[in-house]
Amino acid sequence: DAKTTQPTSMDCAEGRAANLPCNHSTISGNEYVYWYRQIHSQGPQYIIHGLKNNETNEMASLIITEDRKSSTLILPHATLRDTAVYYCTSTDSWGKLQFGAGTQVVVTP
Amino acid sequence: NAGVTQTPKFQVLKTGQSMTLQCAQDMNHNSMYWYRQDPGMGLRLIYYSASEGTTDKGEVPNGYNVSRLNKREFSLRLESAAPSQTSVYFCASSQAGGVQPQHFGDGTRLSIL
Repeated sequence: DAKTTQPTSMDCAEGRAANLPCNHSTISGNEYVYWYRQIHSQGPQYIIHGLKNNETNEMASLIITEDRKSSTLILPHATLRDTAVYYCTSTDSWGKLQFGAGTQVVVTP
Repeated sequence: NAGVTQTPKFQVLKTGQSMTLQCAQDMNHNSMYWYRQDPGMGLRLIYYSASEGTTDKGEVPNGYNVSRLNKREFSLRLESAAPSQTSVYFCASSQAGGVQPQHFGDGTRLSIL
C-alpha cells in the first residue's frame, strides 16, 4: 500500500498559489518525499523532492514538517497548464516509488 | 535529446497472445523501471533494474518478464496476455536508485480482448 495520502481533488484560481497537502506519517527516516505530476495521460513529470529541509526549485516549493509526517507542495502562481494529477510519493533506497491515487488539481481562469 | 522512448504507443492483443514492450533511454542512466497504471489509479511498479545485468520484482510482477538488454534498453514481456493486463505501461529511468528523480516515457496503451 502507498505510504502517502492526499485529497482527491482541489481547485485553484489562475495566478494564485496552490497548496497541495500530503500525509506520510509512516515513511521511514531515510525515505525521501517526491512529487510528480501527470498531465492528461502523459508520463509523470518530476517536480521536486526532499528529506527533511524545505526545498525550492523553478517549478515549486516543498515544505516538510519537522516531524516528517506531512508536507505541502506549493505552486506559487498557478497557470492553466498546471492542471494535472499531482502525486506525493516516497522512495526506498532502490528508488522504487510508491504512488497513491494523487490529487486532481484544476486551475480555473 | 529524446529521454525515455517507449514502443509501441498503442497495441491491441487477443487473450493468450504474447508481446514485448520496448523501452530505451539515452541519458546514460543506470536504473530503469516498468510501471502499470489502471484507470483512475496511481502507478504500480512491475519490475525494476537497479543496474545493467540485474532485475528485481516490484509490487505486481505476476504475468510479466523483463530483460535488461544493455544499459540503454529494458523490455517488458507478456507471455500470455490476459484481459486483466489491459493498462497503460510506463517505463522510467534514473541516474541511480535512491534519491535520483525518475524520468518517464509517454507510455504504451495496451488493450487485451
